[in-house]
Amino acid sequence: QKEVEQDPGPLSVPEGAIVSLNCTYSNSAFQYFMWYRQYSRKGPELLMYTYSSGNKEDGRFTAQVDKSSKYISLFIRDSQPSDSATYLCAMSVNRDDKIIFGKGTRLHILP
Amino acid sequence: DAGVTQSPTHLIKTRGQQVTLRCSPKSGHDTVSWYQQALGQGPQFIFQYYEEEERQRGNFPDRFSGHQFPNYSSELNVNALLLGDSALYLCASSGEWTSGRYETQYFGPGTRLLVL
Repeated sequence: QKEVEQDPGPLSVPEGAIVSLNCTYSNSAFQYFMWYRQYSRKGPELLMYTYSSGNKEDGRFTAQVDKSSKYISLFIRDSQPSDSATYLCAMSVNRDDKIIFGKGTRLHILP
Repeated sequence: DAGVTQSPTHLIKTRGQQVTLRCSPKSGHDTVSWYQQALGQGPQFIFQYYEEEERQRGNFPDRFSGHQFPNYSSELNVNALLLGDSALYLCASSGEWTSGRYETQYFGPGTRLLVL
């Protein structure tokens, strides 16, 4: 079993829809959870950074962490064509530790 | 404020050659991590440098080595290149400000290495 599982997609949704992206993980020691956005042929860009369980909101983005279920989610409201990218979930045990990534989900927002 | 920078952007090498990739961290960051990202995969951790020492290492062979300089910049060296080393090599920096606020890993644009 991989440490972090993420559906690679692609996921296609119409503009304005709410997007839900998810990851599961197996290592209960993970405490720090991140979502990165990666455009084609670019480096990952940090979107959300959370510690332990709970919700965090930043503009149109909401990150949720459920440590009891080992499940994390990213919601994007009012999706835009510019949100089309690959979204990588990522996590670490300690804040300055190596980061373990999912494979990434390719998202297409249709105009 | 410049973010993480990497050079070169692209590189083509042949099997058996050696390559050196360079990274300058974001201003104020003192920790540099290197990742390898194969096509269609998430980044895989290679190693991390802090205070000019390798602090952590992922599951990569000794052909992969690195260095951190006193100004916190870093190099990744790969010897005896294999076709399978073709990938996007990403550098990420992180650090704790004097205020105590910590910034997690911010990534550079990467160096795309093609081994023929």
